[in-house]
Amino acid sequence: DAKTTQPNSMESNEEEPVHLPCNHSTISGTDYIHWYRQLPSQGPEYVIHGLTSNVNNRMASLAIAEDRKSSTLILHRATLRDAAVYYCILRDFQGAQKLVFGQGTRLTINP
Amino acid sequence: GAGVSQTPSNKVTEKGKYVELRCDPISGHTALYWYRQSLGQGPEFLIYFQGTGAADDSGLPNDRFFAVRPEGSVSTLKIQRTERGDSAVYLCASSLRRPEDTQYFGPGTRLTVL
Repeated sequence: DAKTTQPNSMESNEEEPVHLPCNHSTISGTDYIHWYRQLPSQGPEYVIHGLTSNVNNRMASLAIAEDRKSSTLILHRATLRDAAVYYCILRDFQGAQKLVFGQGTRLTINP
Repeated sequence: GAGVSQTPSNKVTEKGKYVELRCDPISGHTALYWYRQSLGQGPEFLIYFQGTGAADDSGLPNDRFFAVRPEGSVSTLKIQRTERGDSAVYLCASSLRRPEDTQYFGPGTRLTVL
C-alpha cells in the first residue's frame, strides 16, 4: 500500500479554518484518497474521499493537488468537537479492501 | 439506524486465558473487518470477511488469533493463551461490498491482559 506522510500534531482556534496536509508522493492512478478521524475513546469515522477533483461534503472539503502527490483536508470553521486524530489513507479500488492507517495528525482546538 | 456494536466494551483477563470479542455489524453490510489499536498508534488491520469467508487474514499476528463469521453477520474474534502484548483496543468495522465503500467502525473492545 502506498504510504502517506502527515504532521504529528496541529493546533488551531475555535471557529477558524483548519488545513490538514497529507503527502502521498508514491500514489498510483487507482488510489483514492480517504480521510478518517478518530475522536477520543471512539472508533474512527469517515470524513471524506476523492480521486482527482476537489470534494466537498457537510463535514469538510478535500483539496487534491493537480499531480495528486499531496492533498489537504479543510475544516472551514473548527469547533471543539473537531479535536481528533485525522488519518489520510490511500485505498486502491482494484486492490485490498483493508484500511492502512499511519500515525495521523492529532488536531487540538483551542477555545 | 443502529451502528456497529461491540461487546464487551472492556475485558480484563489474565495471561494465558482465552477470550472472545464480539462484533455486530450494520444490517446488510457484507464486509466485516477487525483491527487492533495499541496506545498512541493508528489501527492495524487483522482480518477481513466478505460474507462468511475470510477474504484476507494477512494481519493476524500468529495462530493464537482466530475469527469466525458463521452466518455472514455477527463475528467473533478469538484469542487463545493471551499474552500481555495482546493488550489493545480491538476495533470492528463493516461496509457494503465494494472496495471503495465507507467503513463504519464500532466503539471497540479494550482488552487488558494482566
